[in-house]
Amino acid sequence: IQLTQSPSLLSASVGDSVTITCRASQDIRTYLAWYQEKPGRAPKLLIYAATSVKLGVPPRFSGSGYGTEFTLTISSLQPEDFATYYCQQLSDFPLFGPGTKVDVK
Amino acid sequence: EMRLVESGGGLIQLGRSLRLSCAAYEFIVRDNYINWVRRAPGKGLEWVAVIYGDDNTKYADTVQGRFTVSRDSSKNMVYLQMNNLRAGDTAAYYCARSEGIHDAFDVWGRGTLVAVSS
Repeated sequence: IQLTQSPSLLSASVGDSVTITCRASQDIRTYLAWYQEKPGRAPKLLIYAATSVKLGVPPRFSGSGYGTEFTLTISSLQPEDFATYYCQQLSDFPLFGPGTKVDVK
Repeated sequence: EMRLVESGGGLIQLGRSLRLSCAAYEFIVRDNYINWVRRAPGKGLEWVAVIYGDDNTKYADTVQGRFTVSRDSSKNMVYLQMNNLRAGDTAAYYCARSEGIHDAFDVWGRGTLVAVSS
């Protein structure tokens, strides 16, 4: 199974709504997670099972999708959200997407 | 609070071996899947290996035959033995917990750095 993410780089401003897309080469049902990574820090789980928000994650983060196409949406970007975001498929051997860097426009 | 703490990283010569440790707190490693994930400089996250159940293990193709993951349940620790290290193994190594084969990694350590030099 291969994963692609788009865009690879997303420039945005505080308050923007941003969407990142993850596509799988095969049907992975809802075996998909999203992580946020900041420099020098461990990745942080945001979304599991494609649409479930982890307890403690702000509600501006949401996930959608099924099968081969998934999205992560940040409804109103905050300063602390500038980071790199990875999708991960868990249908087979765990595999991460190549990442999407969200930086300041 | 559940947490993981890695140790054992450092600067190591090409072809040598290194063992990383991962200590778990507030949960039992034997009852969970403990994964190793790495991120090489300038690259994305790469899943490396997992140990679960009755010492079942799986590995990424890039480390199969060189890396071995093991567990000491009495110490609640997991280890990653890395042999015949290559330049491409230079990375920050994280251990991460999942509750099942299809479950996301919900607890992560802060990582330990491995630098392979020639």
